[in-house]
Amino acid sequence: DGGITQSPKYLFRKEGQNVTLSCEQNLNHDAMYWYRQDPGQGLRLIYYSQIVNDFQKGDIAEGYSVSREKKESFPLTVTSAQKNPTAFYLCASSPIDRGQAGELFFGEGSRLTVL
Amino acid sequence: GEDVEQSLFLSVREGDSSVINCTYTDSSSTYLYWYKQEPGAGLQLLTYIFSNMDMKQDQRLTVLLNKKDKHLSLRIADTQTGDSAIYFCAESSISGGYNKLIFGAGTRLAVHP
Repeated sequence: DGGITQSPKYLFRKEGQNVTLSCEQNLNHDAMYWYRQDPGQGLRLIYYSQIVNDFQKGDIAEGYSVSREKKESFPLTVTSAQKNPTAFYLCASSPIDRGQAGELFFGEGSRLTVL
Repeated sequence: GEDVEQSLFLSVREGDSSVINCTYTDSSSTYLYWYKQEPGAGLQLLTYIFSNMDMKQDQRLTVLLNKKDKHLSLRIADTQTGDSAIYFCAESSISGGYNKLIFGAGTRLAVHP
């Protein structure tokens, strides 16, 4: 089945450690995104990528890094510079065709807890 | 700047209608969306409306758009316990040729017997 797979679903990290969250899609979508979700807040955009080997900062990119070496994959690294990393992280993808409604397809999310 | 606002909680009795409201700021939004998030899961698109439409109906869901007031609502008829979830309103915003979605904080819908 086509879809977006995020892993791990749950992750615990000690302060000062970098962690990488995986996101893979087999929908042949050009665009991929990382959002952060905190209780009582909307989804906030961390990074997005419209094409392989290119990505752009979103609204809250500080303390995060990404890569887009393959169309199917868009991993997110939460670095030790991120001051408040405990959150639910959502990866999404979408086709770029302007004729479409811009729907985002989401993964099931990864919950990161810093101990 | 762009902003989307919605109330945080709504409680309804099973079988009643639910109405979730949203206001947005970007008058150039081409599409407006409603997404549903069940506990511990990602978001799924419920429905969307093109900005030149006033209403869209899809089975138990009715979306109303008041472009003048920048107000969007989602009505769920005959609400069931399976409708309990967080509902996010989102507007589209073109930035650098890229269709960026701005999400509200989400309305948690609780359905009780």
